[in-house]
Amino acid sequence: DVKVTQSSRYLVKRTGEKVFLECVQDMDHENMFWYRQDPGLGLRLIYFSYDVKMKEKGDIPEGYSVSREKKERFSLILESASTNQTSMYLCASIGGQNTEAFFGQGTRLTVV
Amino acid sequence: AQKVTQAQTEISVVEKEDVTLDCVYETRDTTYYLFWYKQPPSGELVFLIRRNSFDEQNEISGRYSWNFQKSTSSFNFTITASQVVDSAVYFCALIPGANSKLTFGKGITLSVRP
Repeated sequence: DVKVTQSSRYLVKRTGEKVFLECVQDMDHENMFWYRQDPGLGLRLIYFSYDVKMKEKGDIPEGYSVSREKKERFSLILESASTNQTSMYLCASIGGQNTEAFFGQGTRLTVV
Repeated sequence: AQKVTQAQTEISVVEKEDVTLDCVYETRDTTYYLFWYKQPPSGELVFLIRRNSFDEQNEISGRYSWNFQKSTSSFNFTITASQVVDSAVYFCALIPGANSKLTFGKGITLSVRP
């Protein structure tokens, strides 16, 4: 059974805090992605990584950074959380030469 | 650049009606993959189907069917005899060659009324 696991389902953080969202996949996939989803805006790509220690900016990278030290783990970092980063965050793992694309359960982050 | 357009934003049907969700894509790549996902209220994105650009065969899985037409750059999804449990947001997505972005449409909210 394929699995993409995000560390938290719900998270509440204070403005200015450093926030880590973790994503782990067990499919040996090369590519991993972080999206945020907001009403009316669909899924927007924040960052993606196609190999260990490699990262590429997506469409809305401002205010975020990422880390991929191991193939199975892709972390999204909010350096200083702000209220406009309150959102649903979704991690995706893609492999099999782009034939497999699975998502984690999502993390609903609220910044107060 | 690649793009996925889901022109319909919200669709409401009565149970047992058939409904078609439209998806139009743009890409310059000759090799690409198209996906459909379902997002129920719980929020998780559930994989429904994948189709590669070299396979234009239509696919049927129970009440679900997909029509892929390269000539019109469309990958439409039909639910036959809809049920209340089909109520969800449905996303179409595209990924071209290696080390590329997975690009989504804006999603279609389907409501199936009893």
